[in-house]
Amino acid sequence: DIQMTQSPSSLSASVGDRVTITCRASQSISSYLNWYQQKPGKAPKLLIYAASSLQSGVPSRFSGSGSGTDFTLTISSLQPEDFATYYCQQSYSTPRVTFGPGTKVDIK
Amino acid sequence: QVQLVQSGAEVKKPGASVKVSCKASGYTFTSYDINWVRQATGQGLEWMGWMNPNSGNTGYAQKFQGRVTMTRNTSISTAYMELSSLRSEDTAVYYCARRRSTPSWYFDLWGRGTLVTVSS
Repeated sequence: DIQMTQSPSSLSASVGDRVTITCRASQSISSYLNWYQQKPGKAPKLLIYAASSLQSGVPSRFSGSGSGTDFTLTISSLQPEDFATYYCQQSYSTPRVTFGPGTKVDIK
Repeated sequence: QVQLVQSGAEVKKPGASVKVSCKASGYTFTSYDINWVRQATGQGLEWMGWMNPNSGNTGYAQKFQGRVTMTRNTSISTAYMELSSLRSEDTAVYYCARRRSTPSWYFDLWGRGTLVTVSS
């Protein structure tokens, strides 16, 4: 199975900060990497698919990059509604997908 | 409105089974695979398996093989996930999610989740 790791596991940031979250796969997954945002008590929401494609309706302050084993989610200017947990997901081995452990972004 | 509507919360005793439903609306149910993902309180997301609503074909994570069954009723655009031999560790929120396959594979539509509590 392909294992996913994320760093950091949590971070504290202020509104307006630039935030970067890293995701690493245990083997090359090309660009089959997705990012989801989850708020407490809510279902995950797709932000980025195929490593760098922005899902319709998602603000442009979110961006994704990377290929192979190393990927990054960047929030260019953190907004109050962005405080949440972020998960990466590999879909290279579809239908058997795996999620990263998550990165919690909270208010400094 | 494009959505997945899940059944309500369940409380089960250890050893029992639970069947969660996921009703699709606003799109052609048979056009997209349905996946199930669970999340224990304070924990991450765990993929359980998938089902093709058109063919009924399924695939399960090894961890759940033998305990999970995913089915569907196309006449009412509803997918089901049944988990048997429940134990306390199965207490979690269970989500259904639609998987897109073009231009890549990703879950673009999620249900709101169904809390399953296993307690004696």
